[in-house]
Amino acid sequence: DAGITQSPRHKVTETGTPVTLRCHQTENHRYMYWYRQDPGHGLRLIHYSYGVKDTDKGEVSDGYSVSRSKTEDFLLTLESATSSQTSVYFCAISEVRGRGTSPLHFGNGTRLTVT
Amino acid sequence: GQNIDQPTEMTATEGAIVQINCTYQTSGFNGLFWYQQHAGEAPTFLSYNVLDGLEEKGRFSSFLSRSKGYSYLLLKELQMKDSASYLCAPAFNQAGTALIFGKGTTLSVSS
Repeated sequence: DAGITQSPRHKVTETGTPVTLRCHQTENHRYMYWYRQDPGHGLRLIHYSYGVKDTDKGEVSDGYSVSRSKTEDFLLTLESATSSQTSVYFCAISEVRGRGTSPLHFGNGTRLTVT
Repeated sequence: GQNIDQPTEMTATEGAIVQINCTYQTSGFNGLFWYQQHAGEAPTFLSYNVLDGLEEKGRFSSFLSRSKGYSYLLLKELQMKDSASYLCAPAFNQAGTALIFGKGTTLSVSS
């Protein structure tokens, strides 16, 4: 299994509080991603990073920010959590190979509940 | 815009063959991935097509037609453990590193 660790695995927080989710990899992969997964919507890309300090928005980036100060860590922050951000969050990593990209490998997910 | 269409649910019996179709429209394209996801778990990689044609890997095969925006995943000799959600995911940026996922097809395999 790819070395990806998400923390925390579960979190319950109140509306309006800040929340930071952490993704840590030991594979030295250049690309890191944050997805959220909700019933009826599938996996949706929030933000991704293509290198240290290089990030870009995905399809559902509103209300989220990210930071990548080291290759191995990619942080997802909800500045002021809302109930609509209750979801399962997956981190993933990948690398560019000779012909196309390597597959995304996913962490085990963080289940976030905003009350 | 980005749009991916795959059936919501499919059922099949052990030992059978099932084909899960996926059509896509993306702003860019550089390959298509298929993932398997068991309930409560993370998605795991099944196959990748970057050129037109069929890629075979054991009981699983995947086909791509770029001109038609179409792919399918073929599962042979179905087993109960194949009951899962199957996700179609085209890569829409030039590097092939940013994926957009379909909502998934939930496959139920019965004995």
